[in-house]
Amino acid sequence: GQNIDQPTEMTATEGAIVQINCTYQTSGFNGLFWYQQHAGEAPTFLSYNVLDGLEEKGRFSSFLSRSKGYSYLLLKELQMKDSASYLCAVLDSNYQLIWGAGTKLIIKP
Amino acid sequence: EAQVTQNPRYLITVTGKKLTVTCSQNMNHEYMSWYRQDPGLGLRQIYYSMNVEVTDKGDVPEGYKVSRKEKRNFPLILESPSPNQTSLYFCASSSTGDLYNEQFFGPGTRLTVL
Repeated sequence: GQNIDQPTEMTATEGAIVQINCTYQTSGFNGLFWYQQHAGEAPTFLSYNVLDGLEEKGRFSSFLSRSKGYSYLLLKELQMKDSASYLCAVLDSNYQLIWGAGTKLIIKP
Repeated sequence: EAQVTQNPRYLITVTGKKLTVTCSQNMNHEYMSWYRQDPGLGLRQIYYSMNVEVTDKGDVPEGYKVSRKEKRNFPLILESPSPNQTSLYFCASSSTGDLYNEQFFGPGTRLTVL
């Protein structure tokens, strides 16, 4: 079966750095997405990785290792507004998105 | 403004009373999809459509119907809602010209079936 694992919840301090991990086992691989979702709102796109390595976009970076079936989202200089759920999703060989359950990130002052 | 709209945003109904949740996008996207989101389970795909008159089942299609008669609209129909369909529903769209592109989500519809 297809599976995506993320930690259920993480806590970090304002101004710090946090890394949210995602491991996956899917039927094929055509890329990995990270989305941000504030409580009660729609998910919004953060990043897409299809090649190994680190993609940096402002305070957010996303890393992919296809051989390990592993990705992480790195958030720097945390702000209170970063409190949200972060969803990992993999595009499988049929070009269908397989979603993880999401990681709820709590930022403390 | 490029957007996906859903209506209604909130709905409380009773078991067995047919309902339709509308979804419309103004980005000329070919691909549209319906998800439900439940605590601890993440997003689960109900149905998707690659283009007009083309629809396919997702992971949890039972109890739902969809249609794609126009490119911009993709309504979700619950013929006989049951309490286990109480959930938060999202419609999404993207361009199949580049499937690696982001999906744009509607604001969500919170449905309660009593």
